[in-house]
Amino acid sequence: GQNIDQPTEMTATEGAIVQINCTYQTSGFNGLFWYQQHAGEAPTFLSYNVLDGLEEKGRFSSFLSRSKGYSYLLLKELQMKDSASYLCAVRDHRDTGGFKTIFGAGTRLFVKA
Amino acid sequence: GAVVSQHPSRVICKSGTSVKIECRSLDFQATTMFWYRQFPKQSLMLMATSNEGSKATYEQGVEKDKFLINHASLTLSTLTVTSAHPEDSSFYICSAEGWAGSEGETQYFGPGTRLLVL
Repeated sequence: GQNIDQPTEMTATEGAIVQINCTYQTSGFNGLFWYQQHAGEAPTFLSYNVLDGLEEKGRFSSFLSRSKGYSYLLLKELQMKDSASYLCAVRDHRDTGGFKTIFGAGTRLFVKA
Repeated sequence: GAVVSQHPSRVICKSGTSVKIECRSLDFQATTMFWYRQFPKQSLMLMATSNEGSKATYEQGVEKDKFLINHASLTLSTLTVTSAHPEDSSFYICSAEGWAGSEGETQYFGPGTRLLVL
């Protein structure tokens, strides 16, 4: 089966660094995504990892270890506007062909002054 | 990034009526679109996968006769909630899968439609 685990909530201070972890179990891994979702809005794409290693994009970095079924999203120089839910999503092969993206429950990040 | 629009953004309807939601990819062609539902403080739940020119693939537990999906072109998919009831009130979000270079095939989300059934 498929399973994605990430912490429910995290709190961090403005200007600090925070790491949001995600572990997953899939049968046919084909990529991992991180999305940001503010309350009442649709998710926005942050990052995509399909090979092991670190992908850096400005203040955001995402890491993947396929052998460990593990990823993290690193946010640097936190700003108040970074308070949001962060969704880890994994694309998996369907038994019937094609792909399906499974979303984790999301991690609600609270950034305090 | 790619742009996906969704219309309407908000709808209030009476119980028993049908509601149609449109999802459009504005600057790319999407052979595959996805429909999700999200209840407050919960994650996205995939309802169905919509492929242009063929029947949608519904997830387990989603009634295909209640949630009608049509994907008539490479830029438009529609979701019709038939005979809506209060328990169908939710945030419905579509996404379109497009090729984004180094990002591979990535899902880009529409802004969502908030449905309230009275």
